[in-house]
Order: sequence, then structure tokens, then C-alpha cells
Amino acid sequence: AQRVTQPEKLLSVFKGAPVELKCNYSYSGSPELFWYVQYSRQRLQLLLRHISRESIKGFTADLNKGETSFHLKKPFAQEEDSAMYYCALRTLYGQNFVFGPGTRLSVLP
Amino acid sequence: DSGVTQTPKHLITATGQRVTLRCSPRSGDLSVYWYQQSLDQGLQFLIQYYNGEERAKGNILERFSAQQFPDLHSELNLSSLELGDSALYFCASSVGGEWDTEAFFGQGTRLTVV
Repeated sequence: AQRVTQPEKLLSVFKGAPVELKCNYSYSGSPELFWYVQYSRQRLQLLLRHISRESIKGFTADLNKGETSFHLKKPFAQEEDSAMYYCALRTLYGQNFVFGPGTRLSVLP
Repeated sequence: DSGVTQTPKHLITATGQRVTLRCSPRSGDLSVYWYQQSLDQGLQFLIQYYNGEERAKGNILERFSAQQFPDLHSELNLSSLELGDSALYFCASSVGGEWDTEAFFGQGTRLTVV
């Protein structure tokens, strides 16, 4: 079965510090991985997806198939990055989007 | 605006009652997903429909049911409501099928059971 884990429920860092939000997945097929962000209980928004290999708002994520990980990183955190971050896995042919439990990032001034 | 519309935005009802949440997907999207987000909890996948048919089922209670209509809008029915059903219910849609992309989320319906 497909599963996404995010080991940290809450992550607090100071402004300007590096951030790494961890995500691991289990899926027997070839996965597509996404990071979604949710600000203040608003709708979830796509932050980035591994196939596009882009950097959004300074965030990057690399898919490591050997370690089955898709960690989200940013070298210098900003206060406006404070939000809930969800890692998601999409299975073949869009059978389902499986979300991790989420990590609440709090960037302190 | 993601293009996914959920109504109502807020709903307050009493225990034991039944409510219906509605979701209109983005134009052209065939897949609809329902998620429950309780306080301090992550997203719990409830159910997915694709082009009118149930495709995947998550931790959906027997008191809950859903359907997707020919015009592709979806409804989530919650019955015999309990206090613990108070949550934010999100709908998401995606193109679905082999050429699927990302999922787009609605603003959610905040359900409060009193």
C-alpha cells in the first residue's frame, strides 16, 4: 500500500536558518511526489512537484528513490514560510493522492 | 482561486443530524477527492471518484457517503453526526487518468457539530 510519512509534526526554526522538512514514502511503482502548503487553515496550494525540478519561494526538493525520500529544503527561512506543509504521493494513473500527516513549520523572528 | 468550489463555507448543526457538502471541480477535471482535516490533525483521505465512479476509499465512516454526478460535481453526505465529526472538509479535483497532474483544492467547508 502507498504511504507517506513526515516524522516531524512541528518544526521551529529562527528566521534566516536553514529548513529541512522530511518526507519518506512507500510505493512499489514509480511515484510522483508533491509538496503542498497550507497557510492559516486556507486551501492547500501546490508548492512544487518533483517532475518539474523547480524552486518555488526558495524551496527545493529532490526525489531520492534509493532512500524513498522527498525532503523539502530552504537555505534561509522567512517568517512568511510559517505554514503547514504536506508531502503527497500520486500513484499511477492518478489513482489517488496520498498525503502525509503534515509538518507545521514555525519560523521565529 | 483554484477553480474548485465548495459550498457551504460554514455549517453548524446539531448531533444526530445529516448534512450534505457540495463540491464543484475545476472545469475539465474528472477526479474528485474528499479529505477531512480535524483540529491538529492532518489530512485524512475519505474517498475519490473518477468520472462518476468510486475509485478509491480511505478512512470513511459508514455514516458518511459520497457520490459524483454526471455533471461531475460531487456531494459528501454526513449522517448521524457526532461532535467528533467537527472538522474542515476539503474537496480536491484533478484531471485524472493517465495525464493527471496535480490536485487543486477548494477552500473547504468548516463543519461544526454542537
